[in-house]
Amino acid sequence: DAGVIQSPRHEVTEMGQEVTLRCKPISGHNSLFWYRQTMMRGLELLIYFNNNVPIDDSGMPEDRFSAKMPNASFSTLKIQPSEPRDSAVYFCASSFDQGGYNEQFFGPGTRLTVL
Amino acid sequence: AQSVAQPEDQVNVAEGNPLTVKCTYSVSGNPYLFWYVQYPNRGLQFLLKYITGDNLVKGSYGFEAEFNKSQTSFHLKKPSALVSDSALYFCAVRPYSNFGNEKLTFGTGTRLTIIP
Repeated sequence: DAGVIQSPRHEVTEMGQEVTLRCKPISGHNSLFWYRQTMMRGLELLIYFNNNVPIDDSGMPEDRFSAKMPNASFSTLKIQPSEPRDSAVYFCASSFDQGGYNEQFFGPGTRLTVL
Repeated sequence: AQSVAQPEDQVNVAEGNPLTVKCTYSVSGNPYLFWYVQYPNRGLQFLLKYITGDNLVKGSYGFEAEFNKSQTSFHLKKPSALVSDSALYFCAVRPYSNFGNEKLTFGTGTRLTIIP
């Protein structure tokens, strides 16, 4: 299995631009998670989906952030417009959730730099 | 709401010595507990988990953790540290639920450095 795939691995953009991060979960997994990691705030859960349905988006910072999961094999996290404080490593993770006891598998992350 | 505390930001251990990375948690009801490791420029990797049963769980790379319900702790241990164990370690918890859909809460991480 290729594991969780994220693209791009690195993204450098200017303030005000739209940024789209992509994730392909492990085949057969039914839960998908978007996290953000920074030195200041550590690891934060932004949103998670179960069976393609958003379950908890309380971690999404503000309306500039949106996430979609149109099918079981693809998800996007979009930031529009981007700001320098959005600079972070964004991780996607997936799991087969049968009751909360299965571990999450993380992708390699996308390092976002907003200038 | 659940929470996880990793009281030590940094732990230094000499190679060959035993290591412990501490974790305490707060959750309503029974917990599911996890340890993850993050190497530089990589995503988190699952190490081990406690769901139910034996309080001592064994995981990858020779790591183990002991669930202590009375102390609400889940400390990570290894009998003999290797330089390659140097990494960032995260403890995480989620409550037991019949319905699933409970999010995983991570601690702030502990940076483990093994000194040759």
